[in-house]
Amino acid sequence: DQQVKQNSPSLSVQEGRISILNCDYTNSMFDYFLWYKKYPAEGPTFLISISSIKDKNEDGRFTVFLNKSAKHLSLHIVPSQPGDSAVYFCAASGIGNTGKLIFGQGTTLQVKP
Amino acid sequence: DADVTQTPRNRITKTGKRIMLECSQTKGHDRMYWYRQDPGLGLRLIYYSFDVKDINKGEISDGYSVSRQAQAKFSLSLESAIPNQTALYFCATSDGDALNSGANVLTFGAGSRLTVL
Repeated sequence: DQQVKQNSPSLSVQEGRISILNCDYTNSMFDYFLWYKKYPAEGPTFLISISSIKDKNEDGRFTVFLNKSAKHLSLHIVPSQPGDSAVYFCAASGIGNTGKLIFGQGTTLQVKP
Repeated sequence: DADVTQTPRNRITKTGKRIMLECSQTKGHDRMYWYRQDPGLGLRLIYYSFDVKDINKGEISDGYSVSRQAQAKFSLSLESAIPNQTALYFCATSDGDALNSGANVLTFGAGSRLTVL
């Protein structure tokens, strides 16, 4: 039973345009949601997070939106750059924020020059 | 030097062999984790440790064991490797004190790619 789902395995966008990566979850008790980025041969690196009591968090070119009623979050990258090409994982912090993260399957983003 | 170091980075072994993956960190974090990544499944938690005397099973602990030798060291063992344990393994750390002020951000190592023939 996948509690965190990223239904799009891949996404291709043109440099300068917006990239939108989506994530759905099933457990309304999650406290925090995080996005990680992973390059080949490297470990995932933290990108941005959002508390379950917020609906938006912004950090430079990256914005995460949370829609609790729909149990859906999205990561917007504007403008997209070739260096953003990577695998993006959505993760949810377990009940009680114990530190355990539950990850989605990942979405591979390709930004074309 | 990396904050979280995993060794070996790559290992090919045969079915039935014992394998140990090692992880060391310089972050000074109390919490350490082992995750496994498989194509199409994302990262799944194998074991986690909140301090030297605390070891907990994750969602896929069968066939694995761990040892927390010190605050900075957390190793993962496969007592008798099987082909479906072929995967990319990640060690991660986090600062437990940060839980009171925000999301628990994990710092990952570069990964250990294990192939079981």
